[in-house]
Amino acid sequence: GEDVEQSLFLSVREGDSSVINCTYTDSSSTYLYWYKQEPGAGLQLLTYIFSNMDMKQDQRLTVLLNKKDKHLSLRIADTQTGDSAIYFCAEKKMDSSYKLIFGSGTRLLVRP
Amino acid sequence: DTAVSQTPKYLVTQMGNDKSIKCEQNLGHDTMYWYKQDSKKFLKIMFSYNNKELIINETVPNRFSPKSPDKAHLNLHINSLELGDSAVYFCASSQAEMSLYEQYFGPGTRLTVT
Repeated sequence: GEDVEQSLFLSVREGDSSVINCTYTDSSSTYLYWYKQEPGAGLQLLTYIFSNMDMKQDQRLTVLLNKKDKHLSLRIADTQTGDSAIYFCAEKKMDSSYKLIFGSGTRLLVRP
Repeated sequence: DTAVSQTPKYLVTQMGNDKSIKCEQNLGHDTMYWYKQDSKKFLKIMFSYNNKELIINETVPNRFSPKSPDKAHLNLHINSLELGDSAVYFCASSQAEMSLYEQYFGPGTRLTVT
């Protein structure tokens, strides 16, 4: 199937770390992405990881990829109130289409 | 500003009407997309055009017809609007030759059918 699954909601305190999880189904996926959607706005690419990598770090963001379990996570260090948004993971299939399959999104709420 | 832009931002209309949403990108990309985001924030691709040719057409009713007059524009025309068409519609673009396929999204058009 094409299901990419995420937990719906995460609440953390400002300054704590946030970990958003995602499971995907297609083991042949080439790229996996994390997008952020702020209220009333479109999606913005945060970071991505190529399928032959285990980990990628980009400032406060750390992406971990477990290909065996088809599990992707996004860790946000020192979470700020401005990080409150919906986070979508997405997979790019290893086929001729340009299609991204998006997860259902995780709403992150950062409490002061 | 280099971006993906959509018009209108909000669209309220009655059932049975026909409406269009316009999308333009000035990023020089050759691939454009339309996505539908429902009330639960679930995002699903509808169409994709590469160099003005349709390459993805998911199971979308025939009432939805995309039109790509050139590489920079992908408009969405919807006939005989139904209540279930109420959603936020996002346009996006990417450069197909780049394997990363990073997609840039427009701000969305909130369509409300009454």
